Amino acid sequence: RKEVEQDPGPFNVPEGATVAFNCTYSNSASQSFFWYRQDCRKEPKLLMSVYSSGNEDGRFTAQLNRASQYISLLIRDSKLSDSATYLCVVNPNAGNMLTFGGGTRLMVKP
Amino acid sequence: GAVVSQHPSRVICKSGTSVKIECRSLDFQATTMFWYRQFPKQSLMLMATSNEGSKATYEQGVEKDKFLINHASLTLSTLTVTSAHPEDSSFYICSALTGTGHGYTFGSGTRLTVV
Repeated sequence: RKEVEQDPGPFNVPEGATVAFNCTYSNSASQSFFWYRQDCRKEPKLLMSVYSSGNEDGRFTAQLNRASQYISLLIRDSKLSDSATYLCVVNPNAGNMLTFGGGTRLMVKP
Repeated sequence: GAVVSQHPSRVICKSGTSVKIECRSLDFQATTMFWYRQFPKQSLMLMATSNEGSKATYEQGVEKDKFLINHASLTLSTLTVTSAHPEDSSFYICSALTGTGHGYTFGSGTRLTVV
């Protein structure tokens, strides 16, 4: 079983749609959780951290369910510029190493 | 914010040659640097963790004699792909711990093509 699993997609949605991605992680002792965005042939960039209480940043909402070991990302009012691969990232222990999920590809169409 | 400069951004080399990739922290001291590899349509896979002044720690399955990592200063870490082969063609990205905020900053990546 992979440490961090995501549906690879692609998710094809029209502009303005709401789309949600889920991610599951295997290590119940994982400490920190993040969503990164990666555009084609570019480095990943931090989208948002994920907190136990859930957090929102504009059109983006992230939630963490420790009991079920999954993380979600909700994007409201999708824009064309949201088209990218979204990476679920977990810090599995007290160390500094990050573990990346395989990514979910989003394509927002006009 | 913290910036990591990675060079070259793209390199094409002949099979059997060696390629050096540099990552420099521009405005902070990077005591720890992570090196990742990403094949097409796959996620980033950690290759090794380097700490300034000590030997790198390699992940299982990564040949330390093939992927030489040097982290001799607090602002520079290098990855040398020795005797490159076409299967080494990949996107290589470094990431440094900044010690502030989220704590991780990525270089812009190096696309290596071995012909």
